[in-house]
Amino acid sequence: QQQVKQSPQSLIVQKGGIPIINCAYENTAFDYFPWYQQFPGKGPALLIAIRPDVSEKKEGRFTISFNKSAKQFSLHIMDSQPGDSATYFCAAIVGQVGQLTFGSGTQLTVLP
Amino acid sequence: EAGVTQSPTHLIKTRGQQATLRCSPISGHTSVYWYQQALGLGLQFLLWYDEGEERNRGNFPPRFSGRQFPNYSSELNVNALELEDSALYLCASSLWSSYNEQFFGPGTRLTVL
Repeated sequence: QQQVKQSPQSLIVQKGGIPIINCAYENTAFDYFPWYQQFPGKGPALLIAIRPDVSEKKEGRFTISFNKSAKQFSLHIMDSQPGDSATYFCAAIVGQVGQLTFGSGTQLTVLP
Repeated sequence: EAGVTQSPTHLIKTRGQQATLRCSPISGHTSVYWYQQALGLGLQFLLWYDEGEERNRGNFPPRFSGRQFPNYSSELNVNALELEDSALYLCASSLWSSYNEQFFGPGTRLTVL
């Protein structure tokens, strides 16, 4: 019940394309859903996050869509650039237990 | 503003030895979290310290332990190292009021031979 399932495992798009990464969860106690971006040799960097009472959040070229009834959320990257090539992790947390539960990651490659 | 720092960057040990990893949180952050990122296993929660106390523990054996010091820095100790402990160990920190927003350091790469 603590799992967060992420797909696809890898994704290749052309520059300017809109990659979409999907995640699904079971635990309805989760109350915060962040996305992290990780470059090789670096720690994950907090990218954008959403609470379950909001259906969409945009920050720059990154958008989270959230479907509470389906227990699914997704990350869209508008006008993707080669510099966006990284591994993206969705996560979920029940705030008072402090434990982020991560998806398995999506390796994104944006071709020039 | 300085981010989360971790030391050492790399650590090589042999099976059965002990490893000590260190973490300094972002200034003003009082909560420290430890995660393990092992190949094929993804990112897994290890421990959470807040105000010097262990608040939560992931599904890891007792040979994984740690502590948090009065200056909020933290130490992760792994005893009786096994080959499968080879991984990137990540430390994150947050404000006491924002357990959700965890900011990660660059990690310590532990290799067990």
